[in-house]
Amino acid sequence: DAEITQSPRHKITETGRQVTLACHQTWNHNNMFWYRQDLGHGLRLIHYSYGVQDTNKGEVSDGYSVSRSNTEDLPLTLESAASSQTSVYFCASSEYQGEADTQYFGPGTRLTVL
Amino acid sequence: TQLLEQSPQFLSIQEGENLTVYCNSSSVFSSLQWYRQEPGEGPVLLVTVVTGGEVKKLKRLTFQFGDARKDSSLHITAAQTGDTGLYLCAGPLSGGYNKLIFGAGTRLAVHP
Repeated sequence: DAEITQSPRHKITETGRQVTLACHQTWNHNNMFWYRQDLGHGLRLIHYSYGVQDTNKGEVSDGYSVSRSNTEDLPLTLESAASSQTSVYFCASSEYQGEADTQYFGPGTRLTVL
Repeated sequence: TQLLEQSPQFLSIQEGENLTVYCNSSSVFSSLQWYRQEPGEGPVLLVTVVTGGEVKKLKRLTFQFGDARKDSSLHITAAQTGDTGLYLCAGPLSGGYNKLIFGAGTRLAVHP
């Protein structure tokens, strides 16, 4: 069965370190998204990609970067981790280009920055 | 700025009770989606509503899209413990396709 996986599931790091969160999907979807989830804010879009070599900034992109070298993967990098980036991160993918398409989410990565 | 406000934030009920949760905005949305999220997992899509006034039913769950396409509601009849979770509404962000803005969610606890 097709799926979307994230690794690691839990990560503790220190302020100032570079951290990369992995996202891998076997749906063969062109669209991939990264969100962060914080209490009281729901999910907020960090970065997204509509295909290989395409990346775009979302509403809370400062301090984050992504790259898309193949269809399956969209790693999220925190260049210099800050305590404000402690959150749960979700990766998602979707197939179509319509507004109302289904997004399929991974299980999330809980990141703690000390 | 597009915003989706959900109410109530928390809801604790007994099995068998009925409940309604709301998703409201001052902006018009072309569609709204409802997702359910269980602890330790990602959200899973329940339904998409696309037409003003539309009502969709999914077993004991009834979803309604407001006539003006600025609000939606989710009604659960005879809640079960398996309905426990975080219910999120989401709508398309302007400026690109398939980008979503989410409400903060309603956390539902159904007790036996």
